[in-house]
Amino acid sequence: ELKVEQNPLFLSMQEGKNYTIYCNYSTTSDRLYWYRQDPGKSLESLFVLLSNGAVKQEGRLMASLDTKARLSTLHITAAVHDLSATYFCAVDVTSGTYKYIFGTGTRLKVLA
Amino acid sequence: DTGVSQDPRHKITKRGQNVTFRCDPISEHNRLYWYRQTLGQGPEFLTYFQNEAQLEKSRLLSDRFSAERPKGSFSTLEIQRTEQGDSAMYLCASSPSGGVYGYTFGSGTRLTVV
Repeated sequence: ELKVEQNPLFLSMQEGKNYTIYCNYSTTSDRLYWYRQDPGKSLESLFVLLSNGAVKQEGRLMASLDTKARLSTLHITAAVHDLSATYFCAVDVTSGTYKYIFGTGTRLKVLA
Repeated sequence: DTGVSQDPRHKITKRGQNVTFRCDPISEHNRLYWYRQTLGQGPEFLTYFQNEAQLEKSRLLSDRFSAERPKGSFSTLEIQRTEQGDSAMYLCASSPSGGVYGYTFGSGTRLTVV
């Protein structure tokens, strides 16, 4: 059964610092998605990564995908308080279904 | 069209009662998904529709759960004889056919069974 693991599960960081969230998955896939969720809210799409070596950037966030290592990273540059949220990666392994397996999430808190 | 709508936003029900949730997807999206999210966890797949056809159901979807999408537009998710373990956020999402570029999620329905 596919497993999607994120680490760390919790991350408290100072504003202005850099950090990376890791997403490992246990079976072959070249489609990986990152979502953000604020407390009590739904999920907002951040990045869609569709091939090995894909890199996407938006503001202070950059995501990459290494399908051979079955690893995606979400890098945060110069964190600001507004980035505080829970971040999920999700892997699509069923061709044609687009059914996602989500990681357990990384709860990020950026301290002023 | 402003996105995926779910109704109600919150539902508190007594154990043993039946509840029904509604999801209105983005109008041009023909795929519709239901996920369940419990506190501190990522969403878990429940079922999905391509137009009005329900194409896959998770083993999480016991026989107390039923989902429909009668005309390929809105969908309903019904839970019969609710149990405390059903307390969760129920998320609906939609995508175009061939939705490789990801879903759009609704705001969710938070169910509390007391």
